[in-house]
Amino acid sequence: EVQLVESGGGLVQPGRSLRLSCAAAGFIFDDYAMHWVRQVPGKGLEWVSGVSWTSDSLRYADSVKGRFTISRDNAKKSLHLQMNSLRVEDTALYYCVKDFRAGSASYVFGHWGQGTPVTVSS
Amino acid sequence: DIRMTQSPSSLSASVGDRVTITCRASQSVSDYLNWYQQKPGKVPKLLIYAASSLRSGVPSRFSGSGSGTEFTLTITSLQPEDFATYYCQQTYTSPYTFGQGTKLEIK
Repeated sequence: EVQLVESGGGLVQPGRSLRLSCAAAGFIFDDYAMHWVRQVPGKGLEWVSGVSWTSDSLRYADSVKGRFTISRDNAKKSLHLQMNSLRVEDTALYYCVKDFRAGSASYVFGHWGQGTPVTVSS
Repeated sequence: DIRMTQSPSSLSASVGDRVTITCRASQSVSDYLNWYQQKPGKVPKLLIYAASSLRSGVPSRFSGSGSGTEFTLTITSLQPEDFATYYCQQTYTSPYTFGQGTKLEIK
């Protein structure tokens, strides 16, 4: 069974940093691209960032480009999101998401973690 | 960015009804269109990918169609567990945008 467990969320002041992590289990982690998707409670979904299985392709939404950095450690089966220069509008539940297809990233979101909440407020 | 617009934004229906949700893209996304279901307090679940391919394990009452800029999600014979919010998503090009969601409620 696929398991994705996020951690690292919390309350942070605007301009500060936070690092999210996702521990993966139940599948061959280094066969799949991985992603972060966020959702403001009661609102819609926004793709944030994705990384290929080899880490040679990193993509970001314009809203976070230059501030967030996605990375993965295949040996530790973990995914990370370093979030710098946080803004109030980054407040959301952040989901760790496994790509639907093995190999090349499809950006179809096959399995989702439960999410970790991030609140940016002074 | 490609804008995805769903209609209606909300919908009331009864168990046993057939419902259709529409998703329109601001430019062609070919068949790079996916549908997700999200129940209250739960995480989204992939239902349909590539416009019309049903994910394994998803009931056959769900179906998707369309290509280019207009797509539909159809649920035949609504079941109580189908009342949820549905999102479309394009994976044609980055950023991989979602529609605003359609909330399907019990009449």
